[in-house]
This record gives sequence, C-alpha cells and structure tokens, in this order.
Amino acid sequence: AQSVAQPEDQVNVAEGNPLTVKCTYSVSGNPYLFWYVQYPNRGLQFLLKYITGDNLVKGSYGFEAEFNKSQTSFHLKKPSALVSDSALYFCACGSGANNLFFGTGTRLTVIP
Amino acid sequence: DGGITQSPKYLFRKEGQNVTLSCEQNLNHDAMYWYRQDPGQGLRLIYYSQIVNDFQKGDIAEGYSVSREKKESFPLTVTSAQKNPTAFYLCASSPGGGHQPQHFGDGTRLSIL
Repeated sequence: AQSVAQPEDQVNVAEGNPLTVKCTYSVSGNPYLFWYVQYPNRGLQFLLKYITGDNLVKGSYGFEAEFNKSQTSFHLKKPSALVSDSALYFCACGSGANNLFFGTGTRLTVIP
Repeated sequence: DGGITQSPKYLFRKEGQNVTLSCEQNLNHDAMYWYRQDPGQGLRLIYYSQIVNDFQKGDIAEGYSVSREKKESFPLTVTSAQKNPTAFYLCASSPGGGHQPQHFGDGTRLSIL
C-alpha cells in the first residue's frame, strides 16, 4: 500500500538557522515525490518534485529536498529559515498512476 | 493568469440540504481532483477525473457526487448523505500523469448551520 509519513506535527526553528522537515514514503515501484506549502485559508502551492535523476532537488523560495532511496526518505531543507517560511508543509507521493498520497502535514514556525 | 478558481470561499449547509462547490480551471489540464482537508489528517481524495465525461471514486467518495461535462469544470456536490461535511475542500488539476505536480485552488470552507 502507498503511504507517506511526516513524523513531526510541528517544527520550530530560529530565523537564520537551517531547517529540515522530514518525510518518509512507502510505494511499490519508482516513486514520484513532491513537497507543497500551504498558508492559512489557501490552497497548496507546489515547491519541488523528484521524479528521477539527481538525488538533490532544488525548488522554489530556496528550498531543496534530498531523495534517499535506501531510507525511503525525502526530507525538505533550507539553509537559512525566514519568518515568512512559517506555514504548513505537505509531502506527497505517487507512482505511475495519477493519484497522489499526502502526508498529514508539518507545521513550521520560524521564530524571529 | 492561468489558475484554478473555487467558489464560494465559504459555504453553509442546512440539515438535509445538498450543496455544490464550484471548481473551474483555465490551465487546459486534463485531470482534476477533489480533496477534503481536516485538521491533522492531511488531504484525502474524494473524486478524480482524468478526462471529460469520466470520473472515479477516491478514498472517501461516500456522500459526494461529481460531474465532468466540460474540461475546465469539475463541480462537487456534498449530499445530505454526507453526515460530517464540515471541512476545507480543495480542488486541483494537473496535465495528467503521476509525475506532474497538481495545481490547487484556494479552497471552499463548508460548515453546518
């Protein structure tokens, strides 16, 4: 069965420090992996995706994610957090078919 | 600008009433989706459509219905059979294919009067 786990409901980080939001996945076949961000009362905005190729994927707003096949992980990272990065982050996984499976989300708070 | 428009932004339902949520896209995408978002549960797929005049049930289709008569439109009806409809509903579209990111509207928040 396909699933995505975001083990942390909440991540707090000081402004200017590096941030990591964790995601692990389970899927049969080669995974398609995505990160989205959601601001209050808005839809999800696409940040980045991994389909194939380089394990380090760069996306919007300075975010990047590292695909690790052996650990079935796709953690989201940013070298220096901004207060404006505070939002709800979702990891999603698909494989072949159109449908994505979403994690339960991680709320990131960047403390000034 | 291309995008997805959901309306209304807020909607209230009375007991026994059906309500319809609108979703329109001008991205020329083939695939469209409806998700339900509840706190702490992430997004759950209600229905999806890969092409006009065709749609499939997602994980939580009971109490919901959809139609796809036009490529750009994918309305969702929350019927009276859905006993717990209070949630944030998100519509999305994609060109099709699991490797393509989905583009989301800004959602409709449905509450019960």
